[in-house]
Amino acid sequence: NAGVMQNPRHLVRRRGQEARLRCSPMKGHSHVYWYRQLPEEGLKFMVYLQKENIIDESGMPKERFSAEFPKEGPSILRIQQVVRGDSAAYFCASSPPSRPSGNTIYFGEGSWLTVV
Amino acid sequence: DAKTTQPTSMDCAEGRAANLPCNHSTISGNEYVYWYRQIHSQGPQYIIHGLKNNETNEMASLIITEDRKSSTLILPHATLRDTAVYYCIVRAPNSNSGYALNFGKGTSLLVTP
Repeated sequence: NAGVMQNPRHLVRRRGQEARLRCSPMKGHSHVYWYRQLPEEGLKFMVYLQKENIIDESGMPKERFSAEFPKEGPSILRIQQVVRGDSAAYFCASSPPSRPSGNTIYFGEGSWLTVV
Repeated sequence: DAKTTQPTSMDCAEGRAANLPCNHSTISGNEYVYWYRQIHSQGPQYIIHGLKNNETNEMASLIITEDRKSSTLILPHATLRDTAVYYCIVRAPNSNSGYALNFGKGTSLLVTP
């Protein structure tokens, strides 16, 4: 059973370009989360999605960032008009459908974005 | 979700047991204790979780005190590859953030030869 798959693993973009990060959850998982880790800082929650729905985007910057998890295909984190401050590691995680006892979240290996 | 307190850093000799403490004195009855670790330049890795009983798996053991206000993660025979930042997270199944994990600063464990 493959884990959470993220691509690209490394991405370089010039200021003003768009970055698209993709995440395929583990098989059977319908919940996806995106986290960001700035250099030398901790992991920060960005957004939580279920298929075709954004459930919680309280950690997403108000501008330039968007996320989707379509009915078919991977989840996409999109950053428009990137700036140097967007340089970070972006981690995707997934979990199975909710259970009253809670569910374990599993992470991918991350996508490292560098803005030059 | 309840807040956790962990030591900033710890050292452990290779082959010895690493005991990582976590305080969560405001934990609620339905909140689980989760442990993750992050090895440098890798994604967070799930280790173990529990509610009130002690738990053991192939990676570690989790000891939760009877009052549930603190817990200890035990790596029975630490290796150099266990050097990582270890996060103790308290999480309720029905949190408003949809079960998302809130990572604090964790404990930076250094395993030495």
